[in-house]
Amino acid sequence: DQQVKQNSPSLSVQEGRISILNCDYTNSMFDYFLWYKKYPAEGPTFLISISSIKDKNEDGRFTVFLNKSAKHLSLHIVPSQPGDSAVYFCAAGSARQLTFGSGTQLTVLP
Amino acid sequence: ETGVTQTPRHLVMGMTNKKSLKCEQHLGHNAMYWYKQSAKKPLELMFVYNFKEQTENNSVPSRFSPECPNSSHLFLHLHTLQPEDSALYLCASSQQVSGTANEQFFGPGTRLTVL
Repeated sequence: DQQVKQNSPSLSVQEGRISILNCDYTNSMFDYFLWYKKYPAEGPTFLISISSIKDKNEDGRFTVFLNKSAKHLSLHIVPSQPGDSAVYFCAAGSARQLTFGSGTQLTVLP
Repeated sequence: ETGVTQTPRHLVMGMTNKKSLKCEQHLGHNAMYWYKQSAKKPLELMFVYNFKEQTENNSVPSRFSPECPNSSHLFLHLHTLQPEDSALYLCASSQQVSGTANEQFFGPGTRLTVL
């Protein structure tokens, strides 16, 4: 049973608009969450994280929102750029390991 | 070399072969990880090493044998694999295993095909 779910395998957005990637989790013991971006033929690279004691973290064009009551987090990218086209993984962390979602392919159309 | 490197990048092997995947991190981290990524599936954690000691083995079959001779190097020895073991194998490292500092840095992966 997947503890971290990304229910949208793909998302297409027009350049300049907002991209919203969603992630749901089931384990309330997770105490931090991360987003990774992956280009083809490369390993995932860290993008942004949030502690479970916060509900928002912002870094430039990237903002992560955490709704603990709904066990839901989202990544907002605004404005979206063609270079943002990649697979985005959310991950949830507990004492010793990260649990990853299956990823969402984001395509930003010029 | 910087970051996390993995060799080989691609590997094709038969079910009776023995091969090894190598990972090296140049970040001074203390924890290293092996993940498996099959198509359309989440990354699956296989093994965790902390200060060269194995701390996690997520029910991985014995045909996968990890080795961590020091904090900078991690190997995955493969023998008598099955075609369903074909996947992308990713190595990662982090400063420490737990807590918010557990940002993991990934290598580019080894694309393994078992015939």
